Amino acid sequence: QLVVTQSPSASASLGDSVTLTCVLSSGHSDYAIAWHQQLPQRGPRYLMKINSDGSLGRGDGIPYRFSASSSGAERYLTISSLQADDEADYYCQTWGSGIPKVFGGGTRLTVL
Amino acid sequence: EVRLEEFGGGWVQPGGSLRLSCKTSGFQIWGYWISWVRQAPGKGLEWVANIRDDGGRQEYVDSVRGRFSISRDNSKNSVFLQMSDLRTDDTAVYYCVRDGRGGYLDAWGQGTLVTVSS
Repeated sequence: QLVVTQSPSASASLGDSVTLTCVLSSGHSDYAIAWHQQLPQRGPRYLMKINSDGSLGRGDGIPYRFSASSSGAERYLTISSLQADDEADYYCQTWGSGIPKVFGGGTRLTVL
Repeated sequence: EVRLEEFGGGWVQPGGSLRLSCKTSGFQIWGYWISWVRQAPGKGLEWVANIRDDGGRQEYVDSVRGRFSISRDNSKNSVFLQMSDLRTDDTAVYYCVRDGRGGYLDAWGQGTLVTVSS
């Protein structure tokens, strides 16, 4: 079964960098994922897509402070030079043949 | 600018029906699958349904199959979600979302709240 797993929370200080992780279930380590950001009381926003080979597709207007990478079954979102308005929920999302869309449970990022 | 805007949310009693609409602009809707994704209060995101660019194929999450129906009218740049036999656990904000060419969701609406309660 295709599942993506995220830690429920993360925190980092203003100006620092933080890396969020999304883990693909066994047998699905070659799947691409997308990252989405949801600010408080707002709808989600697409950030970028990352393939297993590390190739990226960035959403329109997404700052280069946001980057993604890949290693095995893990997919990462790194946010550098953290700002207060980066405080949000971050979701990873994947898909497959016959498996339309699967979301992780989300990571709530707190900027200290 | 790519835009998706949802309409039709509101309050409905259990067992009732509601029809959501999604009006799109800024892109050629006939080239894209469109999904509905929902978010229950305080919870994460759940994919609900999607429809192929020509309307010829629809897919649903198990929990709504047989109760919800997704459709589209490309001439009106619109997608619809007909919801029937609504249950209290269908209460959520419903988002209309564009499928980027490849399976990832790449543009979101602002959402419309559906409340199912007696």
